[in-house]
Amino acid sequence: EVQLVESGGALVQPGGSLRLSCAASGFTFSDYWMSWVRQVSGKGLEWVANIKEDGSDKYYVDSVKGRFTISRDNAKNSLYLQMNSLRAEDTAVYYCAKDRGSNWGWFDPWGQGTLVTVSS
Amino acid sequence: DIQMTQSPSTLSASVGDRVTITCRASQSISSWLAWYQQKPGKAPKVLIYKASTLESGVPSRFSGSGSGTEFTLTISSLQPDDFATYYCQQYNSYSRTFGQGTKVEIK
Repeated sequence: EVQLVESGGALVQPGGSLRLSCAASGFTFSDYWMSWVRQVSGKGLEWVANIKEDGSDKYYVDSVKGRFTISRDNAKNSLYLQMNSLRAEDTAVYYCAKDRGSNWGWFDPWGQGTLVTVSS
Repeated sequence: DIQMTQSPSTLSASVGDRVTITCRASQSISSWLAWYQQKPGKAPKVLIYKASTLESGVPSRFSGSGSGTEFTLTISSLQPDDFATYYCQQYNSYSRTFGQGTKVEIK
């Protein structure tokens, strides 16, 4: 069974940093692009970043460029999101998801999500 | 970025009703569109991709249509398990974007 399990969400002060992790199992992790998608409580969904199978190519939504860094460790079947200079508007549930269809396709499956709260 | 607009935002319907949700793109996205279902406290689950291809395991009462800028998700006969929020998502470019969601409520 394909499974994605996120961790690392926490309460952090504005300007702070946080690193999210996503442990993948049930599929050949190194064969797929992977993404982070976030959802503000009760609101819509926003794609945040994705990374190529070997980590050599990365894309970001404009609002996090220069602050967030996506990375992966294929030996550990793990995806990461390093978040720096956090702002209140970064408060959301962060999901990791497998890209399907191509380097920029749809998302399936998704993890259960991890909550990041940016507040003083 | 490509803007995705769903309508309606909320829909009240009864079990057995035929339900249609519309998604419009701010520019042509060919057929690069997916639909998701999300229940409270859970992650979204894909229902349809490439505008009209039903994901494996998804009941056949769900169907998708459209191309270019206008798309629809139809539930032919609403079941109790279908009360949820539905999102469209375009993947015409690397900057994938979602509609704001349509909540299907019990009438």
